[in-house]
Amino acid sequence: GAVVSQHPSRVICKSGTSVKIECRSLDFQATTMFWYRQFPKKSLMLMATSNEGSKATYEQGVEKDKFLINHASLTLSTLTVTSAHPEDSSFYICSPQPGYTFGSGTRLTVV
Amino acid sequence: AQKITQTQPGMFVQEKEAVTLDCTYDTSDPSYGLFWYKQPSSGEMIFLIYQGSYDQQNATEGRYSLNFQKARKSANLVISASQLGDSAMYFCAMREVYSGAGSYQLTFGKGTKLSVIP
Repeated sequence: GAVVSQHPSRVICKSGTSVKIECRSLDFQATTMFWYRQFPKKSLMLMATSNEGSKATYEQGVEKDKFLINHASLTLSTLTVTSAHPEDSSFYICSPQPGYTFGSGTRLTVV
Repeated sequence: AQKITQTQPGMFVQEKEAVTLDCTYDTSDPSYGLFWYKQPSSGEMIFLIYQGSYDQQNATEGRYSLNFQKARKSANLVISASQLGDSAMYFCAMREVYSGAGSYQLTFGKGTKLSVIP
C-alpha cells in the first residue's frame, strides 16, 4: 500500500495558537486526502476531504474557518487548527486512500 | 441509525484461541466495501482485511478472516490463534460512494477493545 508520512506525531500548544499538521504521500500522487478526528476512546470521524487544487469539503458541524485544509500539491496536504482551544485536543489522522492507508496520526493537546 | 454497529465494547480471549469480533452494517447502496482495522495504543490505524459487497468468497489474510453474511448485513472478524500482540482496539468500517466529494467515504464503528490473556 501507499506510504504516508504525518507530522508532527505529538504536539502541545497553548490556547489561542495555531497548529499545522502535515501529511505527505511518499510514493504516489494523492489527489484526495481524508482528514479524521478521534476523541479519546471514540471512533474516527471524518472531518473533511481535501482535493488537490480545489477547496476542501467539510463534514457537517466542522468549522471551515477553524480547520484550514490546504492541498496545494499531489504529495502534501495540511490541516491547520487555528486559535486552538482545549476542546480541540484530539487525535488527528489523514488518509489518502479511502480505506487502505493512514498516516501515523497527530496527538494534539491544547493547554 | 448507525451505519456500522460493533456491539462488543470489550472482549477477552485466551492466547492461542480464536476470537470473533462482531460488526453489522446498514446501507442501501448495492456496491460497498467493508474494512477491519487494528489500532494499538500508539494510535496508528493498521488495515487488516477487506471485503467487497460483490465478493463471493469470504476474505482471508493470514490469521484474519472475515465472516461475510450479506443477507444479515454482518461482517464479523475472526482472529485465529490469538497472540499477545493482538491486544488492541479493532474497528469495522464501511466504504460507500460519497457523492458530496465525488469520492468514497469511510464510516467507522465504535470499536472493540480486544485483550489477549496469556
